Amino acid sequence: QKEVEQDPGPLSVPEGAIVSLNCTYSNSAFQYFMWYRQYSRKGPELLMYTYSSGNKEDGRFTAQVDKSSKYISLFIRDSQPSDSATYLCAMTTTGGFKTIFGAGTRLFVKA
Amino acid sequence: GAVVSQHPSRVICKSGTSVKIECRSLDFQATTMFWYRQFPKQSLMLMATSNEGSKATYEQGVEKDKFLINHASLTLSTLTVTSAHPEDSSFYICSARDPSRDEKLFFGSGTQLSVL
Repeated sequence: QKEVEQDPGPLSVPEGAIVSLNCTYSNSAFQYFMWYRQYSRKGPELLMYTYSSGNKEDGRFTAQVDKSSKYISLFIRDSQPSDSATYLCAMTTTGGFKTIFGAGTRLFVKA
Repeated sequence: GAVVSQHPSRVICKSGTSVKIECRSLDFQATTMFWYRQFPKQSLMLMATSNEGSKATYEQGVEKDKFLINHASLTLSTLTVTSAHPEDSSFYICSARDPSRDEKLFFGSGTQLSVL
């Protein structure tokens, strides 16, 4: 079993839709949770960074962490074609050295 | 703006030549940098952890003599693909933790290596 599971998609939605991206994990020691956006042939860009459980909102993006269920989510409101990219979840333990990445979900937002 | 700079963005070389990729942290000191390899439509594969002033730590299955890593300063790590072959063609990405930004991990823009 992988430490972090993420559905690779692809996920196709119409412009304006609410997008929900999710990851599950098995290591209860993970404390830091991140979402990265990666456009084709570019390096990943940090979108959201959350410590422990709870919600964090930044513009159209909301990150949720449910440590009891070992489940994290990224919501994108009013999705735009420019949101079309691969979204990677990532997590690290406190004092951890390595960051573990999900497989990435490919998102297509159709105009 | 970008906090980690990676160059070159694209390189095409002949089989048997060596290629050097640079990764720089622009406004912070990075004692640790990471090198990844990414195949099309796949996630990041950690190759090695680059430690300033000491030897890199390689992941299982990564050839140390093929992928030479040097972390000579707190802002620069280099990855040299030695005697490159077509199977080394891939997208290589570096990252670094920023201690001034809660140890957040930032990535370079990546290098597309094509070996003919």
